[in-house]
Amino acid sequence: QKEVEQNSGPLSVPEGAIASLNCTYSDRGSQSFFWYRQYSGKSPELIMFIYSNGDKEDGRFTAQLNKASQYVSLLIRDSQPSDSATYLCAAEGTTDSWGKFQFGAGTQVVVTP
Amino acid sequence: DAGVTQSPTHLIKTRGQHVTLRCSPISGHKSVSWYQQVLGQGPQFIFQYYEKEERGRGNFPDRFSARQFPNYSSELNVNALLLGDSALYLCASSLNPSSGNTIYFGEGSWLTVV
Repeated sequence: QKEVEQNSGPLSVPEGAIASLNCTYSDRGSQSFFWYRQYSGKSPELIMFIYSNGDKEDGRFTAQLNKASQYVSLLIRDSQPSDSATYLCAAEGTTDSWGKFQFGAGTQVVVTP
Repeated sequence: DAGVTQSPTHLIKTRGQHVTLRCSPISGHKSVSWYQQVLGQGPQFIFQYYEKEERGRGNFPDRFSARQFPNYSSELNVNALLLGDSALYLCASSLNPSSGNTIYFGEGSWLTVV
């Protein structure tokens, strides 16, 4: 069973601090990774994606990918109460599974004022 | 620009009934996927369609079926509903099923089976 694993949380973060979310994946053939944010009762919305080893920054968000360790992370800088949500990590399938995403169960983030 | 649209947004069905969920992808997107999200879990892949052809199927029973129409819209059908089918059903669209193409979700259809 190819899996994506995340800590379920909740991860409590003071307002203005950095939230660090982690994700591991089992399918070494996965090449593309995505982070989605999901507010309670809503559908997931894309935050960012990463394909290459290293860091990718987009505003207050930084995704990090280490394919050798099969590890993806998301950093949220200057956390705001509006960042309180569940964050889903997803890995895209390999060659015969392009477009099919394997999701983790999500990490709940709570930003406290 | 319109995003992914799904209907209905909420519905309640009785065990044993049948349900049809509908999805229209983002304009220009030709690939549609369906996901089931049970409370407290991440979305689980059900089907992927591209150019009206099924490109993939997840680990779901044959009670689940889908199709894609010439205008790239899609339907998900579930027969003989079980209580465990209660979930948020998400439709996602992408340009095509190539590596690295982002999928964008609709607002989902909340199905409750009683």
